[in-house]
Amino acid sequence: EVQLVESGGGLVQPGGSLRLSCAASGFTFSNYWMHWVRQAPGKGLVWVSRIDYDGSSANYADSVKGRFTISRDNAKNTLYLQMTSLGAEDTAVYYCARHPYEILTGYDFWGQGTLVTVSS
Amino acid sequence: EIVLTQSPATLSLSPGERATLFCRASQSVRGYLAWYQQKPGQAPRLLLYDASNRATGIPARFSGSGSGTDFTLTISSLEPEDFAVYYCQQNSNSFGQGTKVEIK
Repeated sequence: EVQLVESGGGLVQPGGSLRLSCAASGFTFSNYWMHWVRQAPGKGLVWVSRIDYDGSSANYADSVKGRFTISRDNAKNTLYLQMTSLGAEDTAVYYCARHPYEILTGYDFWGQGTLVTVSS
Repeated sequence: EIVLTQSPATLSLSPGERATLFCRASQSVRGYLAWYQQKPGQAPRLLLYDASNRATGIPARFSGSGSGTDFTLTISSLEPEDFAVYYCQQNSNSFGQGTKVEIK
């Protein structure tokens, strides 16, 4: 059974840092591009970042470029999102999602999300 | 940056009715479009990928069409479990703002 389980969310002060993790199981993790998507309370989905199969290539939304870093450890089947210089606008549920290689556009599995709250 | 605009923002329909949702891109995305369904407190679920292909386990009442800049998601006959928010996504990054399908 495919599973994506996020962790690492919580309350952080403005300007602080946090690292999110996404543990993958039930599939060959290294065969998939992986993404982070966030959703502020009561708002829509916003793409954050993606990383290719071996971590050699990554892309970011303009809103997080220079502050967030996506990475992966294929030996541990885990995706990460290092977040720095956090502001109130980063408050959201953060989802990791899998992008199958045979699909041009679409994430076929999502984690349940982890909530990040930036507040003093 | 390609912007996706979904319409209408809210669709009020009764079970059994047909739902038609639209997604327009600010420039061509060819066929690189996906549709998702999200219910309160849940992660999004992939419905359609590459504009018109149903994801695994998605009922045949969901269909998609379009290419370039204009796309449509159609639910042929609404079931009670279909009342939710629907998002389109282009090229595996940016999303539309969502359409809420609510019970009339």
